[in-house]
Amino acid sequence: GESVGLHLPTLSVQEGDNSIINCAYSNSASDYFIWYKQESGKGPQFIIDIRSNMDKRQGQRVTVLLNKTVKHLSLQIAATQPGDSAVYFCAEKTGANSKLTFGKGITLSVRP
Amino acid sequence: ETGVTQTPRHLVMGMTNKKSLKCEQHLGHNAMYWYKQSAKKPLELMFVYNFKEQTENNSVPSRFSPECPNSSHLFLHLHTLQPEDSALYLCASSQGLGTYEQYFGPGTRLTVT
Repeated sequence: GESVGLHLPTLSVQEGDNSIINCAYSNSASDYFIWYKQESGKGPQFIIDIRSNMDKRQGQRVTVLLNKTVKHLSLQIAATQPGDSAVYFCAEKTGANSKLTFGKGITLSVRP
Repeated sequence: ETGVTQTPRHLVMGMTNKKSLKCEQHLGHNAMYWYKQSAKKPLELMFVYNFKEQTENNSVPSRFSPECPNSSHLFLHLHTLQPEDSALYLCASSQGLGTYEQYFGPGTRLTVT
């Protein structure tokens, strides 16, 4: 069936380096994508979203890239900080009234 | 804070108990959601409400019973749960059912003994 997944379960980066978290999706009809961050003991927190008519969107220290050709989504975090340590989820939506489908999540660990 | 609150934050219940989870959103949103988050599994959508009307029941067992008295409040009534129902239950809200981001509460950590 269709699914959203993440390539790696964990990612360890040095403080100050850039982080890249990848997500593969299999439903070519998906038209809306979201990245969430979940810190320990908290619910998922919205980071950034992107619609399928775009291939790049920037926020504060974060950039989401969408490659529809290979059905790949990535989240780039510039100058990673200890506070960025969390589990990151990508999610996709197919159509305006469809539900969000979440990936399993990847843990980002920032080394001091 | 996200504007979505959940109570209680932690709950331990026996299999014969009846309890309820509460969610309240202060964002003026029209859609509310219940999700189940188990270890090492993706978030599982359980129920969706839009303008107080249930629009989706994702094949959830009847021992979970949702209630949405208004657009700001959502309940999940629990009865005769099983140990495998132990999980983090997350409530979320969004402006509508379209392509809007969902805002999540902190969740209720449920343990069924």
